[in-house]
Amino acid sequence: NAGVTQTPKFRILKIGQSMTLQCAQDMNHNYMYWYRQDPGMGLKLIYYSVGAGITDKGEVPNGYNVSRSTTEDFPLRLELAAPSQTSVYFCASSKRGSNQPQHFGDGTRLSIL
Amino acid sequence: GQNIDQPTEMTATEGAIVQINCTYQTSGFNGLFWYQQHAGEAPTFLSYNVLDGLEEKGRFSSFLSRSKGYSYLLLKELQMKDSASYLCAAEGGYQKVTFGTGTKLQVIP
Repeated sequence: NAGVTQTPKFRILKIGQSMTLQCAQDMNHNYMYWYRQDPGMGLKLIYYSVGAGITDKGEVPNGYNVSRSTTEDFPLRLELAAPSQTSVYFCASSKRGSNQPQHFGDGTRLSIL
Repeated sequence: GQNIDQPTEMTATEGAIVQINCTYQTSGFNGLFWYQQHAGEAPTFLSYNVLDGLEEKGRFSSFLSRSKGYSYLLLKELQMKDSASYLCAAEGGYQKVTFGTGTKLQVIP
């Protein structure tokens, strides 16, 4: 079982460029999440999805977009990259229902220069 | 609103016991997660408390007091590999989880 797979693992972007961070899970989880983690900080929720076709904003959605066309995939799109978006991005998934732990991918380390 | 507080850093000696505290204010509170995150890695699930009291899992135990908005993670017989950040996370309505900033634990010989 691969679990949650994120690509790429590392990326350097120039200011103003765009890119898509990929996330796929093979556990048939309904819920998927995107977080960013800045150095020495906790995880901040960017967007989440409770199922295919349904997405909602988290705490820090500005500058990002998501889509959820299938249960497995939950890509995160950065438009017009800014230095403030330099961070480590984690994708996670969980089953529906309380007490369900989130399973995290290995993260994408993104630098905007 | 959502607010999670936990100490930024702690140091403890190999073989000892350490308690990492967490206080939370979460609307529609369902339960409390603890995750472990080694440097440069993804968080991994440790425990979930929904009822008041202590849940024990080997060397790790987690406690919850819903009335006080308080939890702690207890690590016994500390090992060097326990050096990591420990994230407290409160689950509110609609399964939304708010993470604390994490407590960086350093285990020294």
